[in-house]
Amino acid sequence: ETGVTQTPRHLVMGMTNKKSLKCEQHLGHNAMYWYKQSAKKPLELMFVYSLEERVENNSVPSRFSPECPNSSHLFLHLHTLQPEDSALYLCASSQADRNLNTEAFFGQGTRLTVV
Amino acid sequence: GNSVTQMEGPVTLSEEAFLTINCTYTATGYPSLFWYVQYPGEGLQLLLKATKADDKGSNKGFEATYRKETTSFHLEKGSVQVSDSAVYFCALSDADTGRRALTFGSGTRLQVQP
Repeated sequence: ETGVTQTPRHLVMGMTNKKSLKCEQHLGHNAMYWYKQSAKKPLELMFVYSLEERVENNSVPSRFSPECPNSSHLFLHLHTLQPEDSALYLCASSQADRNLNTEAFFGQGTRLTVV
Repeated sequence: GNSVTQMEGPVTLSEEAFLTINCTYTATGYPSLFWYVQYPGEGLQLLLKATKADDKGSNKGFEATYRKETTSFHLEKGSVQVSDSAVYFCALSDADTGRRALTFGSGTRLQVQP
């Protein structure tokens, strides 16, 4: 059982569809993250959840809606996306305690194509 | 704020060549430093880390030393293989800023030819 699991691995959706990406971590961490990775662009941090509370939202369009029902699960709800939203979406988790620098563990990502 | 700067790629090497990928950082506190690797179609995997000055992280023949005086964390490998072809990301974690997420560099693509 891998530490961070993302489903689905691949998703093709139309611009009028609604879909959700799922992430589950089995590491007992207290923080989870969504990143967007587009071709030829740096890794973009989208959302940060700590103890199930959203603590960071980096100017992400409202067509992306995160949800963190508990410390092990993170969702990214998608609706009315644009073709430029096609990218690899990566979930990560970490143990984010005060004054403790720790690494993040990543899932394998969901390759999203918007048509 | 914190930032990480990596050398631009792609870096193209022949098998068994020596590899260096440069990474420098700016941080307000005392960060931990990381190298991640991303193989095609995959997520990022932690390659190695160092948590304080002069620490050397190592894994799978890769090494990087935390140099506080030059604010650098260069990745090196003595003899690369075709299977090392991937994108390499340098990153830092600085809990003193209260920011939980890592700060990543832009990534350096390595292509190793047989």
